[in-house]
Amino acid sequence: AQSVTQLDSQVPVFEEAPVELRCNYSSSVSVYLFWYVQYPNQGLQLLLKYLSGSTLVKSINGFEAEFNKSQTSFHLRKPSVHISDTAEYFCAVSARYNQGGKLIFGQGTELSVKP
Amino acid sequence: EAGVAQSPRYKIIEKRQSVAFWCNPISGHATLYWYQQILGQGPKLLIQFQNNGVVDDSQLPKDRFSAERLKGVDSTLKIQPAKLEDSAVYLCASSPTQWSEAFFGQGTRLTVV
Repeated sequence: AQSVTQLDSQVPVFEEAPVELRCNYSSSVSVYLFWYVQYPNQGLQLLLKYLSGSTLVKSINGFEAEFNKSQTSFHLRKPSVHISDTAEYFCAVSARYNQGGKLIFGQGTELSVKP
Repeated sequence: EAGVAQSPRYKIIEKRQSVAFWCNPISGHATLYWYQQILGQGPKLLIQFQNNGVVDDSQLPKDRFSAERLKGVDSTLKIQPAKLEDSAVYLCASSPTQWSEAFFGQGTRLTVV
């Protein structure tokens, strides 16, 4: 079975500062990893994903995450945040092809960007 | 391409009443999920369908919750009878396969009073 731990429930940060949201996972099989973002009163939107290949993946709005197999981590980073990045961020894990496929979420990290 | 549609958006019921939620996934998506998201928590998987078969329902409280996916397309989730602790947002998501990213609907916010 897979599980996800997001190490920070809330992360306050000033606009234009860098930010890192931490995610660790546990799994006995190879995994796919995802970051989703949820704005107030909306559903979850995929931010970025790691399926295979390069361990550094990037989103179109400046976020990036790096898959670290030895540390079982998939931390999300952005070098300079904007007010509009204020949202809840969820890390999720799914077992690889032919080994399950159940999508499991962490508890979420509330990113609050202040002017 | 139309997204995942859910209805209703909001529902308020009294405890011990019954309620049903409806989900229409993205066309062609074989996998459908129902999640329960309690305020301040991450989504918790209730049930996963692959076409019209159940892949996982290990966290579905089967004494009061039921779900079906007729003809491998639309799905309904029912709660009968509802308890106060069922107050949450119920999210439906669909995916082309079990191993690709999931696309989420707007959710149904249920309040049990």
